[in-house]
Amino acid sequence: QAQLVESGGGLVRPGGSLRLSCAASGFIFSDYYMSWIRQAPGKGLEWISYISGTGQTIYYADSVKGRFTISRDNTKNSVYLQVNSLRADDTAVYYCARAADHFQYWGQGTLVTVSS
Amino acid sequence: QSVLTQPPSVSGAPGQRVIISCTGSSSNIGAGFDVHWYQQLPGTAPKVLIFGNNNRPSGVPGRFSGSKSGTSASLAISGLQAEDEADYYCQSYDTSVHGFYVFGTGTKVTVL
Repeated sequence: QAQLVESGGGLVRPGGSLRLSCAASGFIFSDYYMSWIRQAPGKGLEWISYISGTGQTIYYADSVKGRFTISRDNTKNSVYLQVNSLRADDTAVYYCARAADHFQYWGQGTLVTVSS
Repeated sequence: QSVLTQPPSVSGAPGQRVIISCTGSSSNIGAGFDVHWYQQLPGTAPKVLIFGNNNRPSGVPGRFSGSKSGTSASLAISGLQAEDEADYYCQSYDTSVHGFYVFGTGTKVTVL
């Protein structure tokens, strides 16, 4: 059974940075696109980025383009999200998910709080 | 910001049938892209409930069903149970500037 475990969230000041990690197990990691999705407190789901199995195809939502960077290390079965220039409205639980035309498996999420 | 519109809430008594709508446009559902549904129980991550418009992953009860027509889709819950109280989100793909994966606004289902 596929399992995804996120880490790296925390409290950060506006303008700060974090690197979120997602460790995958239970499937052939390099065969799958991976995505990051976030959910602000009390709000809905927002897709923010995805990366192909090889890492060569990457897309971002407009809301994070230029500030966030997705990457993966297939030797470590992990996907990452470097989040820079954080703003208060980036406060959210960040989920990684195995992606196809839908999100087949989700991690438990990691909370990023941006506050001074 | 969501391009797929859902009712904020629906409710029903145990055993009743409730339907959640998901309204899109010609750049997503109406363009022929599949609709998928997720259930998010309180304090947990979403999980896929329906994929490819009307397919249930193994382990999802048969009382959940999906359909799609034109620019809209629906999720039906038959024989509503207390454990169905959760938030539900539709999701599709979009070719407009909103780009790629899009989610619905979300619907809170309350079991009376």
